[in-house]
Amino acid sequence: GENVEQHPSTLSVQEGDSAVIKCTYSDSASNYFPWYKQELGKRPQLIIDIRSNVGEKKDQRIAVTLNKTAKHFSLHITETQPEDSAVYFCAASRQGGATNKLIFGTGTLLAVQP
Amino acid sequence: DTAVSQTPKYLVTQMGNDKSIKCEQNLGHDTMYWYKQDSKKFLKIMFSYNNKELIINETVPNRFSPKSPDKAHLNLHINSLELGDSAVYFCASSNAGGESGGYTFGSGTRLTVV
Repeated sequence: GENVEQHPSTLSVQEGDSAVIKCTYSDSASNYFPWYKQELGKRPQLIIDIRSNVGEKKDQRIAVTLNKTAKHFSLHITETQPEDSAVYFCAASRQGGATNKLIFGTGTLLAVQP
Repeated sequence: DTAVSQTPKYLVTQMGNDKSIKCEQNLGHDTMYWYKQDSKKFLKIMFSYNNKELIINETVPNRFSPKSPDKAHLNLHINSLELGDSAVYFCASSNAGGESGGYTFGSGTRLTVV
């Protein structure tokens, strides 16, 4: 079945350093890869996404890369700040069909130390 | 205006009781979902409705029964609650098909069964 693996499960960085979270998906027909940020006690919120026809996308300090051949995609956060501390989820889905089911990774708890 | 709203936010109940959670979205999306987030933060899909039609039912016990009176509402009724049902339940919505983008999540319902 569809599966998304996410690593690491926890990540601690110093303020100002970069953070990288990696995901691997199993369904080769997946074509949409969003990333969500979930702060403690809050809802998951979309922070960036990428489609399979693009290899990289950047939005200020956040970037996502996609390697379709290897079925890998990664989230890069530069110049981390304490407010970046949260749980980050990657997800994959096959858009364009009857469903738009998002399969989520297991989450990465990012702690940015001031 | 809240895009996806869930009620109640917190629900504490005894084993064996029956309870309902309600969800409404004002985004004009055609698809709504229920996800369960357990204590380890795993986000797992339970159900999906597209235009009031059930399209995803992910091996959830029969005690869980979703109902969608119209495409803006998706409710979840749970019979004979068990301790293992304790979790945060998130409603979400999106548009299926095409390049529809990611989900918008509700704020979650924290269910505690005692």
